[in-house]
Amino acid sequence: GAVVSQHPSWVICKSGTSVKIECRSLDFQATTMFWYRQFPKQSLMLMATSNEGSKATYEQGVEKDKFLINHASLTLSTLTVTSAHPEDSSFYICSGYGYTFGSGTRLTVV
Amino acid sequence: QKEVEQNSGPLSVPEGAIASLNCTYSDRGSQSFFWYRQYSGKSPELIMFIYSNGDKEDGRFTAQLNKASQYVSLLIRDSQPSDSATYLCAVGRTRGSGNNRKLIWGLGTSLAVNP
Repeated sequence: GAVVSQHPSWVICKSGTSVKIECRSLDFQATTMFWYRQFPKQSLMLMATSNEGSKATYEQGVEKDKFLINHASLTLSTLTVTSAHPEDSSFYICSGYGYTFGSGTRLTVV
Repeated sequence: QKEVEQNSGPLSVPEGAIASLNCTYSDRGSQSFFWYRQYSGKSPELIMFIYSNGDKEDGRFTAQLNKASQYVSLLIRDSQPSDSATYLCAVGRTRGSGNNRKLIWGLGTSLAVNP
């Protein structure tokens, strides 16, 4: 149980465009979803916690206007990277139920 | 002092040996402890979790928790080359089926199992 489906697996976008990443809980109701970012050879960095039906909680130093989180239902949370720049290129991973992860999204901004 | 500390490694062991991975944490109120394995370019996968002091075994893996000393370890018996990965320790303040569980992560230990 506790399966999280994340899409897309990888995306390449041009600088200045926006990218949306979706995470769906397949067999449980996710009132909370955690969004992480991981740069090469570094550990996970928690970016924000999304809460169904309310505003997300962002970690210190994470720009909430740049990383828009929407958690409108108990099975879907989305992260939108707005006006992406090359420095936003990273591996983005969501986690639901507190301990199960999506497969991750490799974002490359060119 | 970091909240969750792990030796970055790399830890190198021969195939068939026991690999021992250690993790210390600073928050005495921590209640849940997790070990994840992460292959390069992939997302972390849960190996096991432990809540109570002592040992917990699952196949070739044994987690050991000592709350008084604030450390948790992972033993991998009969190590295989396929176990070569980064092992992440994570600690939480709540236990049980956690929809709201926020975890504090270590930086991970790189393990290399040599054939």
